[in-house]
Amino acid sequence: EVQLLQSGGGLVQPGGSLRLSCAASGFTFSSYAMTWVRQAPGKGLEWVSVISNSGGSTYYYADSVKGRFTISRDNTKNTLYLQMSSLRAEDTAVYYCAKALKTLPTVTSLTDYWGQGTLVTVS
Amino acid sequence: SYVLTQPPSVSVAPGQTARITCGGNNIGSKTVHWYQQKPGQAPVLVVYDDSDRPSGIPERFSGSNSGNTATLTISRVEAGDEADYYCQVWDSSSDHYVFGTGTKVTVL
Repeated sequence: EVQLLQSGGGLVQPGGSLRLSCAASGFTFSSYAMTWVRQAPGKGLEWVSVISNSGGSTYYYADSVKGRFTISRDNTKNTLYLQMSSLRAEDTAVYYCAKALKTLPTVTSLTDYWGQGTLVTVS
Repeated sequence: SYVLTQPPSVSVAPGQTARITCGGNNIGSKTVHWYQQKPGQAPVLVVYDDSDRPSGIPERFSGSNSGNTATLTISRVEAGDEADYYCQVWDSSSDHYVFGTGTKVTVL
């Protein structure tokens, strides 16, 4: 069974940093691109970032987080990360990690399984 | 940046057909995916690559894409279909994924 278990959310002051983790199980983690999506309270979905499968050598960011957030993965630990810095009030949201539906293309945010979400509050 | 516009809400009676549109400039040249999100839950993929369904998604869910509009159609609507629906595309000009503004489907 595919599982994505998220951790690392919480309350942080503006300008602070936080690292989110997403521990994967039930599938060959290194074969799939992984994505972060966020949702501000009462708002719609916002794509944040995507990282390619095996080497994690390709990644893309939304303009709203580029230069402040860093996506990475450790395929030996089956874990996806999102390092967030210079946090702003507008970064307050539930953050979801998600697994690609297919192994190809190597970078894709077409996703089938999602984590439970973790709330980040910047205040 | 590429913008996807959806109607804020769609209301439909049980057993009828709901159509949710997703408008974007020449969206027919892109591949569209659709997600369903119920309150307090993570999104669920219901249609991908314009019209394909993931395993486990009922045939009642279908999609189309042409010109400047993509459409998610839900046939024989059930109370359990009440949710928010989002379209998604890859914008190659910016190397960004984009979600639509979202549509709340209410079953009367």
